[in-house]
Amino acid sequence: ILNVEQSPQSLHVQEGDSTNFTCSFPSSNFYALHWYRWETAKSPEALFVMTLNGDEKKKGRISATLNTKEGYSYLYIKGSQPEDSATYLCACQETSGSRLTFGEGTQLTVNP
Amino acid sequence: DTGVSQNPRHKITKRGQNVTFRCDPISEHNRLYWYRQTLGQGPEFLTYFQNEAQLEKSRLLSDRFSAERPKGSFSTLEIQRTEQGDSAMYLCASSYLRGPPPYEQYFGPGTRLTVT
Repeated sequence: ILNVEQSPQSLHVQEGDSTNFTCSFPSSNFYALHWYRWETAKSPEALFVMTLNGDEKKKGRISATLNTKEGYSYLYIKGSQPEDSATYLCACQETSGSRLTFGEGTQLTVNP
Repeated sequence: DTGVSQNPRHKITKRGQNVTFRCDPISEHNRLYWYRQTLGQGPEFLTYFQNEAQLEKSRLLSDRFSAERPKGSFSTLEIQRTEQGDSAMYLCASSYLRGPPPYEQYFGPGTRLTVT
């Protein structure tokens, strides 16, 4: 059973600040790391999926990195905007197409 | 492509009643997953299907829970004799396992169950 941990639990930043979150996971039996953004009353939105050590993905102002040897991933948001306010979830996967094991999420609030 | 849909979006029921939720995955997606999220926690895996075959069930899933995907398209999740501890957000996701991996799981908006 994977144990996926995210930090911090919650974060309040001002508009324009850059921020980052951490996801840590066991490095054994690792296949993929997924990041999701989940806004209230909406569906969780897939941001990135990464499999290889050293992977870096970017979508607009959001980027993510993966270190499978030490078991962590970072999510960065550059120049936070109020619309970035959401819960950011990471999830690990042991094999292709299998279940996801989620962390508890980081709740981000961006104040205008 | 209208995304994954779930019905109902909200359900309030009394303890001891049976409830059924429906998930319609993205068209042609061959994998369908059910997760449950309680307050302050991340989503927790319940079960998943490859077409109509149920491939895995969580050990946490009690006998009161049953899921089906009879024609390999939509799926239903039934909870019998609901308990207050069943109150949660029930999420469905689908995935298309064709072509090169990795494969993303696309989530629906969830069904929020409240057991009184």
